[in-house]
Amino acid sequence: DAGVIQSPRHEVTEMGQEVTLRCKPISGHNSLFWYRQTMMRGLELLIYFNNNVPIDDSGMPEDRFSAKMPNASFSTLKIQPSEPRDSAVYFCASRNDLTYEQYFGPGTRLTVT
Amino acid sequence: AQSVAQPEDQVNVAEGNPLTVKCTYSVSGNPYLFWYVQYPNRGLQFLLKYITGDNLVKGSYGFEAEFNKSQTSFHLKKPSALVSDSALYFCAVYYGQNFVFGPGTRLSVLP
Repeated sequence: DAGVIQSPRHEVTEMGQEVTLRCKPISGHNSLFWYRQTMMRGLELLIYFNNNVPIDDSGMPEDRFSAKMPNASFSTLKIQPSEPRDSAVYFCASRNDLTYEQYFGPGTRLTVT
Repeated sequence: AQSVAQPEDQVNVAEGNPLTVKCTYSVSGNPYLFWYVQYPNRGLQFLLKYITGDNLVKGSYGFEAEFNKSQTSFHLKKPSALVSDSALYFCAVYYGQNFVFGPGTRLSVLP
């Protein structure tokens, strides 16, 4: 298995632009998580899906952020419009609900200028 | 609310010496506990977990952790540190449907 796949690995965009981050979880994993990591705030859970259904989105910062999981093998995190304070590394992780272990993707480093 | 504390932002240890990275949690009942490691420019990697059973659990790269229910701790240990162990370490707790990570401890192993 290739592990959790995220794209793009790096994204540089200007303030006000729409940004879409993509994630392909490990096949057979039932849960998918989106995290944001910054030096100031550490690792923050943004949203959690189980069987493609959003379970907890209390970590989504504001309405500019939205996430979807149209099927078991694909999820997106969209920021519209983007702001400089959104600059961070965004991680996707998937979890085997039998073992509770989360497996993280390599992350997308987002820079908003 | 459940929480995870890692009281040390930074731990320095000489290569070959034993290392300990501390973690305490605040959860009622029986939590599931995890350690993850993050190398520079990489995602977090699973190291080990405690679900039930023996309080001493062994994981990847020679790491182990001891679950202590009375002290609500789950400290990560390794008998002999390597320079390549230098990384950011996260403790995490899973309880109910919530998965909470600690703030992380940066481990530096000095040659």
